[in-house]
Amino acid sequence: SSELTQDPAVSVALGQTVRITCQGDSLRSYYASWYQQKPGQAPVLVIYGKNNRPSGIPDRFSGSSSGNTASLTITGAQAEDEADYYCNSRDSSGNHLKVFGGGTKLTVL
Amino acid sequence: EVQLVESGGGLVQPGGSLRLSCAASGFTVSSNYMSWVRQAPGKGLEWVSVIYSGGSTYYADSVKGRFTISRDNSKNTLYLQMNSLRAEDTAVYYCARDLDYGGNSCFDYWGQGTLVTVSS
Repeated sequence: SSELTQDPAVSVALGQTVRITCQGDSLRSYYASWYQQKPGQAPVLVIYGKNNRPSGIPDRFSGSSSGNTASLTITGAQAEDEADYYCNSRDSSGNHLKVFGGGTKLTVL
Repeated sequence: EVQLVESGGGLVQPGGSLRLSCAASGFTVSSNYMSWVRQAPGKGLEWVSVIYSGGSTYYADSVKGRFTISRDNSKNTLYLQMNSLRAEDTAVYYCARDLDYGGNSCFDYWGQGTLVTVSS
């Protein structure tokens, strides 16, 4: 099955812009989706498709993709954005499986 | 309002069985793809299984042959039957609606999770 690779930890100063990346062969064929998870809570979908935000997600969250890399960008990071972020996509082997990245811990300084 | 409520978690001995339930409201389970995703303590998310609206089912290699996903349309409920449980199956198990769009997939609604602990 495919794998998605994320940096384990990223930090950003309050109000600055941060990019969280996700690499994997499946991203050449499928869009990534991104999830925010805060301690003790269920994940929340923040970006899916080319660059779609579910209702209620602030517009400071955006997504992009190039080749085998998908990116989640937070423009003007807020203290409440400190969380774990996971990418996800379909497996590229065509076997209907899904795969998650290992997650990135975002710290807002 | 869409809501997913898991139940059925608990402590089970290695080799034992457990059935998780996920009661849905605000949408019809049988008309959607539905997945189970788990998270071991302090670890990342791991996709476990999906059931398509047509009834086809698929599993992660780590649970294939031991876990079975199913649904009860009359109860609008998703299930995960877990057999031959191992210590490494210890995790919070989430059910999620698996939104398919143009062949892509994302999980747009999640339950609160139920903890499964496999230990003697």
